[in-house]
Amino acid sequence: DAGVTQSPTHLIKTRGQHVTLRCSPISGHKSVSWYQQVLGQGPQFIFQYYEKEERGRGNFPDRFSARQFPNYSSELNVNALLLGDSALYLCASSQAAQETQYFGPGTRLLVL
Amino acid sequence: GQSLEQPSEVTAVEGAIVQINCTYQTSGFYGLSWYQQHDGGAPTFLSYNALDGLEETGRFSSFLSRSDSYGYLLLQELQMKDSASYFCAVPNQGGKLIFGQGTELSVKP
Repeated sequence: DAGVTQSPTHLIKTRGQHVTLRCSPISGHKSVSWYQQVLGQGPQFIFQYYEKEERGRGNFPDRFSARQFPNYSSELNVNALLLGDSALYLCASSQAAQETQYFGPGTRLLVL
Repeated sequence: GQSLEQPSEVTAVEGAIVQINCTYQTSGFYGLSWYQQHDGGAPTFLSYNALDGLEETGRFSSFLSRSDSYGYLLLQELQMKDSASYFCAVPNQGGKLIFGQGTELSVKP
């Protein structure tokens, strides 16, 4: 069975641009969560979606938005990129919102 | 608020046993998870403890004491491939995971 997949694997952007990151959950999983991980730290929660509805939002500015599609895949959008947005963006899926989360390989974003 | 503390670094030799501790402060407790992450890779789920006691999965075991707000991950028969960062994490009521800062384990020959 395929695990969580994310695209792209790497991305380079400049300040002020926007970016869209994509995630496909494990088959049968209905919940997707997004995390940001900067070097040397643990992942920080950004969003959680379950059955296409937002179930939680972390302490991130409104430049960050996300959505979940009917097939349970998800997109994370970040507008007006800042240098500090450079990080590994991780997507995790679970069968339900409170079940064990399984992570994808991440998208490494570099903002110049 | 919620916070987790774990040592930043641990070093051990091949074949040895190492214990990585985690203490937590949470407004509600729904369990303690452990994840392994190799450089540049995805966090990989290792274990989950909802109740007190020891859970064993192969060379890895995880322990929880809810009264002490404490848990640990025990790695036995260490191998070079175990060199990685290890994170403890607690879910909140909605399932959002709060992670510790991570413990970097270095296994030496």
